Amino acid sequence: RKEVEQDPGPFNVPEGATVAFNCTYSNSASQSFFWYRQDCRKEPKLLMSVYSSGNEDGRFTAQLNRASQYISLLIRDSKLSDSATYLCVVNRWTGNTGKLIFGQGTTLQVKP
Amino acid sequence: NAGVTQTPKFRVLKTGQSMTLLCAQDMNHEYMYWYRQDPGMGLRLIHYSVGEGTTAKGEVPDGYNVSRLKKQNFLLGLESAAPSQTSVYFCASSGLAGGGGGSYNEQFFGPGTRLTVL
Repeated sequence: RKEVEQDPGPFNVPEGATVAFNCTYSNSASQSFFWYRQDCRKEPKLLMSVYSSGNEDGRFTAQLNRASQYISLLIRDSKLSDSATYLCVVNRWTGNTGKLIFGQGTTLQVKP
Repeated sequence: NAGVTQTPKFRVLKTGQSMTLLCAQDMNHEYMYWYRQDPGMGLRLIHYSVGEGTTAKGEVPDGYNVSRLKKQNFLLGLESAAPSQTSVYFCASSGLAGGGGGSYNEQFFGPGTRLTVL
């Protein structure tokens, strides 16, 4: 079983739709959580961190449920420019070294 | 400020050939990482470095070697390339990570190297 699991999609939605991505992680020692965005044939870039209390950045809302080991990303009012692959990422510490563990990504296609 | 750069961008090798991928960062970051990305697998950590002169194994280190002789550079070597090493390779860097409290510095990625081994 992969340490971080995501539904690969693709999710095909019309402009203006609300879409939610889910992610589960298996290692309870995971301590920090993130969503990265990766455009086609480009490098990943940090979209937002995920905090226990939930956090929002414009049209994006991230939620964390430590008890269920579950992370979500909600995108409201989807734009064409939101089309990308969204990577669920956890940071696991071993000693004083943190390592990022990546999910395989969920692909979003926003259509006009 | 170029951030993280990688050379080359593309490369085709024959089985058994060797090559070195170069990563450079100009952000004075302590931590550097090499990942590979394969379809359906997500990014997997090959090797990483927590400072100049140090290296450590990641999740999939076999068949690769690394060196961090200068703080700004992190080299990934393939001594004898195999078709299983066909992948997209990303380098990343981050500032000095915090302690066990879970503080974290964002990782910045280079544009990637697309490697095909025939």
